Amino acid sequence: SQKIEQNSEALNIQEGKTATLTCNYTNYSPAYLQWYRQDPGRGPVFLLLIRENEKEKRKERLKVTFDTTLKQSLFHITASQPADSATYLCAPSGFQKLVFGTGTRLLVSP
Amino acid sequence: EPEVTQTPSHQVTQMGQEVILRCVPISNHLYFYWYRQILGQKVEFLVSFYNNEISEKSEIFDDQFSVERPDGSNFTLKIRSTKLEDSAMYFCASSAERGSPGANVLTFGAGSRLTVL
Repeated sequence: SQKIEQNSEALNIQEGKTATLTCNYTNYSPAYLQWYRQDPGRGPVFLLLIRENEKEKRKERLKVTFDTTLKQSLFHITASQPADSATYLCAPSGFQKLVFGTGTRLLVSP
Repeated sequence: EPEVTQTPSHQVTQMGQEVILRCVPISNHLYFYWYRQILGQKVEFLVSFYNNEISEKSEIFDDQFSVERPDGSNFTLKIRSTKLEDSAMYFCASSAERGSPGANVLTFGAGSRLTVL
């Protein structure tokens, strides 16, 4: 069955450092992959979408890579800030249904 | 910025009661979804809806659940006879037509917290 794996342990980093979050998937051939941010008690908010024919995508301090051979996406936040503290969800997708991984909680300390 | 609105924000109900959660998707979106998140767990897909019918549903979405678009703006999730394990945050989402800008990207509402006692 399809499986999406994100590190369930929280990632703690110092303000100003680069945070790197990993998303691995199996039994999937997604046409694209999305990353969302979720704050406690709120709905997910879309951040970035990367297509299978794109290796890398950037938006301000965010960078996403997509390796369809490794079946992995990496999500980077450079110059991290305490306001970046949240849970980040990945969703490899191809059709209508968007299925999320468990998410990785990021904590950025001042 | 267009948004998805959900009501109520919090509902407390007794086990066995019927509950209707309401959503107003973004006006020009054509795909609608319900997700749920049990406290401390992942966001789980329940159902997707397009062209006035269910396009896909998960195994969670059993006969106790139903969805409806009763008019041109609302999208509802009904739970016929609530169970304790239905306690969760329910999120509505919508997305644009395929091929349009922002297609495949979901915009979520703030959620409706359901507590079943």
